[in-house]
Amino acid sequence: DAKTTQPNSMESNEEEPVHLPCNHSTISGTDYIHWYRQLPSQGPEYVIHGLTSNVNNRMASLAIAEDRKSSTLILHRATLRDAAVYYCILDGSSNTGKLIFGQGTTLQVKP
Amino acid sequence: NAGVTQTPKFQVLKTGQSMTLQCAQDMNHEYMSWYRQDPGMGLRLIHYSVGAGITDQGEVPNGYNVSRSTTEDFPLRLLSAAPSQTSVYFCASSYRGGRSTDTQYFGPGTRLTVL
Repeated sequence: DAKTTQPNSMESNEEEPVHLPCNHSTISGTDYIHWYRQLPSQGPEYVIHGLTSNVNNRMASLAIAEDRKSSTLILHRATLRDAAVYYCILDGSSNTGKLIFGQGTTLQVKP
Repeated sequence: NAGVTQTPKFQVLKTGQSMTLQCAQDMNHEYMSWYRQDPGMGLRLIHYSVGAGITDQGEVPNGYNVSRSTTEDFPLRLLSAAPSQTSVYFCASSYRGGRSTDTQYFGPGTRLTVL
């Protein structure tokens, strides 16, 4: 399974944009890039996913590098509720639906 | 829809005791899975199921059993609890699994302490 690398922690001010990076240099051509987040004392929740093109939804945007070796999750206006651990995950290449979680990035949002 | 539900929310066991963590989903999802999360760590896959009657091992299956007799339920059994199994357990489900575009839905977790 391809591995992802994320910074351990990041800080942001409330109402400012946040760019969360993820490196995945060994990604295969069929791996989708998924982002999940885990709020304190809760289960992970889906944020966004993509393959090659940039993606937008109501929660965030996903920018994928042209060579697909890195991606960036963009929160356009961080709120206090966005303080969470963000996981960048490559879908299991064995197509079993297994998600391989790393340690993720802990995002702190300051008022 | 209630989504993915887990019971109990909290449990304390003594070493050697057995118990079953319950997981149910009402979304008619074929794929279900169990993860454990140790303090400060990401989630690790214990067992998963791609449909009723089909289960397989994940990354850390030792000490746990699963079965999937219905689409809705996927219980996790601890055969003989050990302190190393102290963790938070999350159940997840998705429509099909095995497809790279599937979104997984996670339950609220069961916090287990083994003394």
